[in-house]
Amino acid sequence: AQSVAQPEDQVNVAEGNPLTVKCTYSVSGNPYLFWYVQYPNRGLQFLLKYITGDNLVKGSDGFEAEFNKSQTSFHLKKPSALVSDSALYFCAVSGNTGGFKTIFGAGTRLFVKA
Amino acid sequence: DSGVTQTPKHLITATGQRVTLRCSPRSGDLSVYWYQQSLDQGLQFLIHYYNGEERAKGNILERFSAQQFPDLHSELNLSSLELGDSALYFCASSLRQGEEKLFFGSGTQLSVL
Repeated sequence: AQSVAQPEDQVNVAEGNPLTVKCTYSVSGNPYLFWYVQYPNRGLQFLLKYITGDNLVKGSDGFEAEFNKSQTSFHLKKPSALVSDSALYFCAVSGNTGGFKTIFGAGTRLFVKA
Repeated sequence: DSGVTQTPKHLITATGQRVTLRCSPRSGDLSVYWYQQSLDQGLQFLIHYYNGEERAKGNILERFSAQQFPDLHSELNLSSLELGDSALYFCASSLRQGEEKLFFGSGTQLSVL
């Protein structure tokens, strides 16, 4: 079975500081890992994905994520947070267990304070 | 704009009723996924269709059913509605399945009174 855990309901950072949103996963076989962002009253938007290759994945708007196979983690990072980054962030894992399905974590709300 | 269209945007109905939510995927996308988002359950995977065939089921209740039509649009049918079915229902599409990123619609907000 696939599962995703986001241990923090909320992350608070000051503008200009680095941010990290944590994610751990469980899936059989090689994982396909994703980060999505949701702004109020909107659908989820794709940020970045890891399929294979370099463990550091770069996405849009300065976001990046590091895949760590031994720790089964895929943490989202950004060197310098912006107030406009405040949103709900979801980690997701996709795998072929009884059919392809993409399972999402519970979400982490990021607040960036000016 | 993701290119995924969901209708209606809002739906208010009563317990015991039946509703149909509609999703039009991005042009060319063969996969359609349905998700339910609520405050207490988070984003729950319901069902996945690929090119008209059901490919995976998640935590979908027996009162719920879905299908993907030959033109690739999909409908999610919710029957014998209960108060707890009130949620935001999202449709997402992708070109194929598995490693593909998902494009989400804006959702249908269902309120069961």
